[in-house]
Amino acid sequence: EDQVTQSPEALRLQEGESSSLNCSYTVSGLRGLFWYRQDPGKGPEFLFTLYSAGEEKEKERLKATLTKKESFLHITAPKPEDSATYLCAVQAPINRNTPLVFGKGTRLSVIA
Amino acid sequence: DSGVTQTPKHLITATGQRVTLRCSPRSGDLSVYWYQQSLDQGLQFLIQYYNGEERAKGNILERFSAQQFPDLHSELNLSSLELGDSALYFCASSSYRGGYTFGSGTRLTVV
Repeated sequence: EDQVTQSPEALRLQEGESSSLNCSYTVSGLRGLFWYRQDPGKGPEFLFTLYSAGEEKEKERLKATLTKKESFLHITAPKPEDSATYLCAVQAPINRNTPLVFGKGTRLSVIA
Repeated sequence: DSGVTQTPKHLITATGQRVTLRCSPRSGDLSVYWYQQSLDQGLQFLIQYYNGEERAKGNILERFSAQQFPDLHSELNLSSLELGDSALYFCASSSYRGGYTFGSGTRLTVV
């Protein structure tokens, strides 16, 4: 069974204090690993898709990396507006419409 | 606006009742997915439809059912509601290009 474990469950950072969120996965093959951001009471918002080990993607203060067993979301010099829950999901390689399996997320709070 | 529309945004109902949640996918997307999100379980996949046909089933209770209509909108029917069914219900759609787009969700409260 495909599984995704995210750590830590919650993270509190001072503004400007860089850190990383972890996503460990077990999947029978990997078609893609996805990162989403979710604000309270809203739907998840797409951030990145990673397809193969060694791949990296960046967007503003966020950088996602992928190995064969885990992914990291690095947050550089975070700002209060980066506060949200960050979700990781994996997709098995059946086809591009295969349902995503999500982790429980990391709740990030950035304090000014 | 993500392009995926869910109605209603909020729903409060009593135990034992039945409700219908509606989702209109992003224009051109043929796949619709339903997810349930509760505080302790995270996002749980319920069911997927592709161009009107059921494609995959996840942890969906027998009291729950869904369908996708010819215009590609989808409805999730929840019956014999229990307190534990209180959650956020999200719909997402995807296209041949891949990637999911989520709606803003329906918050269901069962009292």
